[in-house]
Amino acid sequence: GAGVSQSPRYKVAKRGQDVALRCDPISGHVSLFWYQQALGQGPEFLTYFQNEAQLDKSGLPSDRFFAERPEGSVSTLKIQRTQQEDSAVYLCASSNRDRGDHQPQHFGDGTRLSIL
Amino acid sequence: AQSVTQLDSHVSVSEGTPVLLRCNYSSSYSPSLFWYVQHPNKGLQLLLKYTSAATLVKGINGFEAEFKKSETSFHLTKPSAHMSDAAEYFCVVILSGSARQLTFGSGTQLTVLP
Repeated sequence: GAGVSQSPRYKVAKRGQDVALRCDPISGHVSLFWYQQALGQGPEFLTYFQNEAQLDKSGLPSDRFFAERPEGSVSTLKIQRTQQEDSAVYLCASSNRDRGDHQPQHFGDGTRLSIL
Repeated sequence: AQSVTQLDSHVSVSEGTPVLLRCNYSSSYSPSLFWYVQHPNKGLQLLLKYTSAATLVKGINGFEAEFKKSETSFHLTKPSAHMSDAAEYFCVVILSGSARQLTFGSGTQLTVLP
């Protein structure tokens, strides 16, 4: 596609439920990133994929967060047993170099997750 | 550690007047720096990037930024603000780790008054 696509745009879940957020990167982009943006703050790094390999997950806040990219294209961010502090906008970005050297990351519109 | 500091959380200008959004960085070597803009309920759009080729960087929509190593600054400017410029602006640096993930400043909300 022309840009990074994320779905759903909005997700409301009850505390304790599991959620799955999807990201379709720009076709051919090797690198894929997930960020979490709390209300009124800048995005913060969660995890990074190079093709299907998850090379860095140092930003995942807890073991309830899990991300995968099994075929090196579409990625899914899963949050288990959601908590209210998980409420945020989750942004996906992709870039077309494996190390992203000076290559800009292209962002999707994000998924706004609200935990009740 | 590398980071960026955006000095103003809110900036308000009148339409047609200049825009200045300030950003200072800390880095042990020449960093890769970016400015991104975020309109309400939208993703982030790249305005411009600095990659050491030139200290004055021109971006989209009439924005530009000047890299000043002596001042460790990368301020964003535009000669004349337009109503459509109202948005959140983020100064961003790339970390040197394996992921080369982006580290964002806290953001500056730009308001453009008619």
